[in-house]
Amino acid sequence: EDQVTQSPEALRLQEGESSSLNCSYTVSGLRGLFWYRQDPGKGPEFLFTLYSAGEEKEKERLKATLTKKESFLHITAPKPEDSATYLCAVLSGGSYIPTFGRGTSLIVHP
Amino acid sequence: EPEVTQTPSHQVTQMGQEVILRCVPISNHLYFYWYRQILGQKVEFLVSFYNNEISEKSEIFDDQFSVERPDGSNFTLKIRSTKLEDSAMYFCARGTGGYNEQFFGPGTRLTVL
Repeated sequence: EDQVTQSPEALRLQEGESSSLNCSYTVSGLRGLFWYRQDPGKGPEFLFTLYSAGEEKEKERLKATLTKKESFLHITAPKPEDSATYLCAVLSGGSYIPTFGRGTSLIVHP
Repeated sequence: EPEVTQTPSHQVTQMGQEVILRCVPISNHLYFYWYRQILGQKVEFLVSFYNNEISEKSEIFDDQFSVERPDGSNFTLKIRSTKLEDSAMYFCARGTGGYNEQFFGPGTRLTVL
């Protein structure tokens, strides 16, 4: 069975303190990996899609990278408004339905 | 601006009652999905809808669930006889098919008492 594991479950940072969130996966035939941001009580907001190992995507303070076993979401000099839960989802095999991880809850203190 | 809108934003119902959740696409798309997220849990797939037909469904999507596109634009998710464990956020998403990303609506919070 496909597994998507995100770590840490929760992360507290000071404003400006850079860090990384991890999404490790054990799937047969990765077709795509997605990162979403989810604010409390809201729907997931799409951030990035990565398709192959070595691929990188950037948006403002966020940078997503992909290897054959895991993906990282790097947050550079975070601000309080970056506080949210970050979700990773994986497409594999012949399915067009992503499997989501449990997410990492990020709190950035001013 | 959301890719899809959902109504109501919050629905409270009694156990055993039927509920209908609605998803309104902003523009014409062919691929739609329903997910649920129990508080503190993962986002879970329920059903996908392509070209007005169910294309895939999960084990969660049992006989108490149904989806329709009654007027050619809005999508509805019906839960026939709600249970306490149906309490969750329900999200509609639209996609472009294939191995591409999906875009989620704001969700409906369903509370079953």
